[in-house]
Amino acid sequence: ELKVEQNPLFLSMQEGKNYTIYCNYSTTSDRLYWYRQDPGKSLESLFVLLSNGAVKQEGRLMASLDTKARLSTLHITAAVHDLSATYFCAVDPNNNNDMRFGAGTRLTVKP
Amino acid sequence: KAGVTQTPRYLIKTRGQQVTLSCSPISGHRSVSWYQQTPGQGLQFLFEYFSETQRNKGNFPGRFSGRQFSNSRSEMNVSTLELGDSALYLCASRQGPSSPLHFGNGTRLTVT
Repeated sequence: ELKVEQNPLFLSMQEGKNYTIYCNYSTTSDRLYWYRQDPGKSLESLFVLLSNGAVKQEGRLMASLDTKARLSTLHITAAVHDLSATYFCAVDPNNNNDMRFGAGTRLTVKP
Repeated sequence: KAGVTQTPRYLIKTRGQQVTLSCSPISGHRSVSWYQQTPGQGLQFLFEYFSETQRNKGNFPGRFSGRQFSNSRSEMNVSTLELGDSALYLCASRQGPSSPLHFGNGTRLTVT
């Protein structure tokens, strides 16, 4: 059965610092997605990574995908309070249209 | 374009009852997926529909069912509700196989 593991599950960091969230998955997939969820809100798509070596950047967030290692990273640069949210990675292996999510990383950025 | 619309936003039911949740996808999106979100289990895949056909189903009991209509709107039904069914139920639509999911605001179901 497909497993999608994120770490850390909880991350508290200070503004201005850098950190990386890791997402490992257990089956072959060349598609990986990152989502953000604010408290009490729904999920919002951040990045779509569709091939090995893909890198996407938006503001202070950068996502990458290594399909051989079955690993994706979400790097946060110079964190700001507005980035506080829960971040999910998700895998859609074999184009089965059943996207499976990691447990989420709850990020808190403190002033 | 209007986003994914889910109704109702909140529901309170008692054990043993049944409930129907509704989802209208983004116009032009034919794939609709349903997820259950709880603090303990996270986001769990329920099922996915495309052109009125269920293509995939997660590991949930038969009390959970769904359907999709010809206009791509979808409903999910939970029969014989249990306390453990209390959750946020999220519907998401998708434009194509490489596209991300677009989520609705969810239906918060409380079973008492």
